[in-house]
Amino acid sequence: DAGITQSPRHKVTETGTPVTLRCHQTENHRYMYWYRQDPGHGLRLIHYSYGVKDTDKGEVSDGYSVSRSKTEDFLLTLESATSSQTSVYFCAISEHSRGDYNEQFFGPGTRLTVL
Amino acid sequence: GENVEQHPSTLSVQEGDSAVIKCTYSDSASNYFPWYKQELGKRPQLIIDIRSNVGEKKDQRIAVTLNKTAKHFSLHITETQPEDSAVYFCAARGTGNQFYFGTGTSLTVIP
Repeated sequence: DAGITQSPRHKVTETGTPVTLRCHQTENHRYMYWYRQDPGHGLRLIHYSYGVKDTDKGEVSDGYSVSRSKTEDFLLTLESATSSQTSVYFCAISEHSRGDYNEQFFGPGTRLTVL
Repeated sequence: GENVEQHPSTLSVQEGDSAVIKCTYSDSASNYFPWYKQELGKRPQLIIDIRSNVGEKKDQRIAVTLNKTAKHFSLHITETQPEDSAVYFCAARGTGNQFYFGTGTSLTVIP
């Protein structure tokens, strides 16, 4: 597996509390992504980053914010968690060094439960 | 943005038979199409991919075909084995290096 870690791996929290998930990579890849995975929906992009301090929204970004202050770290924040944000969250990385041939590698995932 | 549709959602085959999973995409600018296998409780793992300038690619028992005109691509697994049982996702790389995923196919190989 590519050098990607996520923390925490499991978290249970209450509605209305802030939550931050961390993705850390040791591959020095330029692109980093946050996805959520829910039954029947596959993987849906929340936010992604194409460099330090460069981020953009994905298809399900409402209620989420991100930050990338270093190449290796990409943080996902739920400012006020809701039960609809109960999901498995995957971080992924990708490099843009071989033209348009960009494999994407996934982290181990974080299971978040909002009560 | 891109829209990727995947069929079927579930697929059961006898061991040794072939399995085919099909995906369509909407954005003609998409140029890279990976396939992922995800076992229960694990992360998605890339199993094969294809670029838009190639029509077919094969890796042992796995092959992918791409029809750019029709905007569809397919995964073919031959001589299926029980360890092929998993959820398979197709994806398309759109503009800005964003990836759009299908909703997944749960493949069961019956011994």
